[in-house]
Amino acid sequence: DQQVKQNSPSLSVQEGRISILNCDYTNSMFDYFLWYKKYPAEGPTFLISISSIKDKNEDGRFTVFLNKSAKHLSLHIVPSQPGDSAVYFCAAPTNSGYALNFGKGTSLLVTP
Amino acid sequence: GAGVSQSPRYKVAKRGQDVALRCDPISGHVSLFWYQQALGQGPEFLTYFQNEAQLDKSGLPSDRFFAERPEGSVSTLKIQRTQQEDSAVYLCASARDILNQPQHFGDGTRLSIL
Repeated sequence: DQQVKQNSPSLSVQEGRISILNCDYTNSMFDYFLWYKKYPAEGPTFLISISSIKDKNEDGRFTVFLNKSAKHLSLHIVPSQPGDSAVYFCAAPTNSGYALNFGKGTSLLVTP
Repeated sequence: GAGVSQSPRYKVAKRGQDVALRCDPISGHVSLFWYQQALGQGPEFLTYFQNEAQLDKSGLPSDRFFAERPEGSVSTLKIQRTQQEDSAVYLCASARDILNQPQHFGDGTRLSIL
């Protein structure tokens, strides 16, 4: 039962434009969300997180927005760079507070 | 090193063999996690240690899977009598404290069962 869903397997964006990656979740008890970035043959790298008490968190070119009523979050990358090309995973800790539920990932390609 | 280290990076085994995968977490990190990632999927939780105590093993697929962290640092994931469906990338992650987030991942061990 997939509690974190990333419905777009891939996304292609031109360099300099905005990349928007989307994530939906089904468990209303989730109160913390993380985005990870993964290059081929490497492990996921933590990118940015957001607590449910906020609706926005920004770190440089990366901003995460949370819409609790819609159970939806999105990651915005502005401006996109070729080095951002990777698979992005949305994740949320389960009710236990430690095990992460991951989406299936979205592969982002930023073209020059 | 500064990050989570896993070895071997690649492991090929014949069906029925036993394998052992090693994880060196970030020094001083209390929490350690194992995940399994199948092709085209996100990582799926296997088991969790807080120091040397295995507090959750609910994600282990069968009793052929066994994990330990005897001294609260290095951990080993062992798979006995491997089967083809065990082929996956096995990821280890550690976290600084019991709040557990964010988790920092190693590069994984890619296991192929022939």
